[in-house]
Amino acid sequence: NAGVMQNPRHLVRRRGQEARLRCSPMKGHSHVYWYRQLPEEGLKFMVYLQKENIIDESGMPKERFSAEFPKEGPSILRIQQVVRGDSAAYFCASSPPNSLYTDTQYFGPGTRLTVL
Amino acid sequence: DQQVKQNSPSLSVQEGRISILNCDYTNSMFDYFLWYKKYPAEGPTFLISISSIKDKNEDGRFTVFLNKSAKHLSLHIVPSQPGDSAVYFCAAHRGNQFYFGTGTSLTVIP
Repeated sequence: NAGVMQNPRHLVRRRGQEARLRCSPMKGHSHVYWYRQLPEEGLKFMVYLQKENIIDESGMPKERFSAEFPKEGPSILRIQQVVRGDSAAYFCASSPPNSLYTDTQYFGPGTRLTVL
Repeated sequence: DQQVKQNSPSLSVQEGRISILNCDYTNSMFDYFLWYKKYPAEGPTFLISISSIKDKNEDGRFTVFLNKSAKHLSLHIVPSQPGDSAVYFCAAHRGNQFYFGTGTSLTVIP
């Protein structure tokens, strides 16, 4: 059973470009979380999605950031018009339905975004 | 506003001795707490969790202690092994969200 997959692992963008980060959850997992880790900081919750639904996006910046988790295919975190401050590691985690404890939350290896 | 804090960015311990990693939190509504371990260029890996209604949970060499009155939890690793060298994050759960500390880098010296 493959783990959580994220791609690309490294992404370089120039200011003003768009960044698309993909996350394929573990098989059978229908819940996806996105986190951002800025240098010297901990992981910051961004958004929690279930298939075709955004459950909690209170951690997402109000502008330029969006996330989706379609019925088919990976979850996508999209950052439009990137700025240097968006440079960070972005982690995705997935968990199965009806999990009570996040000992069932599995993290992907992360995507490191660098904005030039 | 950092609701979960790890005030020690790094810790060095001799192999075989006990490692104690600390974490403080501010929100009394958290319902459970977790510790994750992270190696460079990898995602965090779950280590151990504890419900807010308990004060101790043990799993092999790892024990987590929760002091609700002090809003403090700690992770004890005994005996420490070189393979335990990693960054350790504590996290707290409330509602749909997980709040992470900034991590403590543990180095176990052979």
